Amino acid sequence: DIVMTQSPDSLAVSLGERATINCKSSQSILSSSKDQSSLAWYLQKPGQPPKLLISWASTRASGVSDRFSGSGSGTDFTLTIRSLQPEDVAVYYCQQHYSAPYTFGLGTKLEIK
Amino acid sequence: EEQLVQSGAEVKKPGESLRISCKASGYTFTNYWIGWVRQLPGKGLESMGIIYPGDSDTNYSPSFEGQVTISADESTSTAYLEWSSLKASDTATYYCARHNDWDDAFHMWGQGTMVTVSS
Repeated sequence: DIVMTQSPDSLAVSLGERATINCKSSQSILSSSKDQSSLAWYLQKPGQPPKLLISWASTRASGVSDRFSGSGSGTDFTLTIRSLQPEDVAVYYCQQHYSAPYTFGLGTKLEIK
Repeated sequence: EEQLVQSGAEVKKPGESLRISCKASGYTFTNYWIGWVRQLPGKGLESMGIIYPGDSDTNYSPSFEGQVTISADESTSTAYLEWSSLKASDTATYYCARHNDWDDAFHMWGQGTMVTVSS
């Protein structure tokens, strides 16, 4: 299985500031056919199912705010949340959608400082 | 509206069997892979396996192979996750989720089914 490693485990950021979460895969998840990396980001709020934010490392899902952006390629990826809002408090997960089983990182808990 | 609606919370005893469901609506059930994801209390997300309802092709995560059975019923547009003998360690919330046309991320999720196994 591909192992996904997220950092940090938790993060506190002031309202209006930028939050950055990192994710590393144990092997390259670059799709040769798409020339894009098969990396997704989700957020999960308490008591709710996860919600897809980004796939293909940088493509926002429908309806997702442009304050969320993804970057990276190969094995190293970053989720950036610009101008943090109260509703962004959640646990964020990365997932590789390169090969089954589609493994997740352990999550990063984002709080307001 | 496309949606996945899961069956309700369950409380079972160790050793009992259980099948939980995920009913799809608003789209062609047989055209998209559906996966199951486990979330232990207070913990992260774990992919259990996926099924393609069109031909019942199934892929299990090694951690869950032999522990659960994933199936799908085309006639009712419903995917299932089944245990033959539950353990206390199966206590968790289980989500079904669907892929999309252009990638294998989980674009749509069910609301989750909480399973509690306790004597």
